[in-house]
Amino acid sequence: AQSVTQLDSQVPVFEEAPVELRCNYSSSVSVYLFWYVQYPNQGLQLLLKYLSGSTLVKGINGFEAEFNKSQTSFHLRKPSVHISDTAEYFCAVVGGAGTALIFGKGTTLSVSS
Amino acid sequence: DAGVTQSPTHLIKTRGQHVTLRCSPISGHKSVSWYQQVLGQGPQFIFQYYEKEERGRGNFPDRFSARQFPNYSSELNVNALLLGDSALYLCASSLSIGTGNTIYFGEGSWLTVV
Repeated sequence: AQSVTQLDSQVPVFEEAPVELRCNYSSSVSVYLFWYVQYPNQGLQLLLKYLSGSTLVKGINGFEAEFNKSQTSFHLRKPSVHISDTAEYFCAVVGGAGTALIFGKGTTLSVSS
Repeated sequence: DAGVTQSPTHLIKTRGQHVTLRCSPISGHKSVSWYQQVLGQGPQFIFQYYEKEERGRGNFPDRFSARQFPNYSSELNVNALLLGDSALYLCASSLSIGTGNTIYFGEGSWLTVV
């Protein structure tokens, strides 16, 4: 069965510092991976997705992620964060027979000045 | 174009009551899914509908039901509400089913059961 594990529940960083949010996955079939962001009191917004092809995926707001099959990881990175990046970040994998998403528990990114 | 719209945005119900949540997908999208997000957790899949047929069901009790209408809008119904049903209920839509389809989420309906 598919699953994702987000290795850090909270990541505090200073503004303009680089950040990496870690996600490991488990899947017995082809892997389709996503990162979503949730700002306070809002729904989920897609940051980026990996379906196939290049293992380095670029998304919105300067985020990128690298699919690593040997390490079963899909870590999210940003070279320089802003205060406005403060939010909850969710890693997800497509699970089961349909397109249902299986989410991790989330990582709270807190950016301070 | 409007995104996924959900109503109501907030509601408070009493234990044992019934609730209906509504969702309008992005224009042209034929698949609608429902997720439950309990505070501090990631969303959990409840249902997926495509072309008015149920295409997937998560591990939720029979108190939860849903349907999709000919205009592709959807309702989620929860009977005999429990305190543990308090959560953010997210609706998501996509053009079709299949792993290549991007799933877009609405802002959610906050349900509080007292």
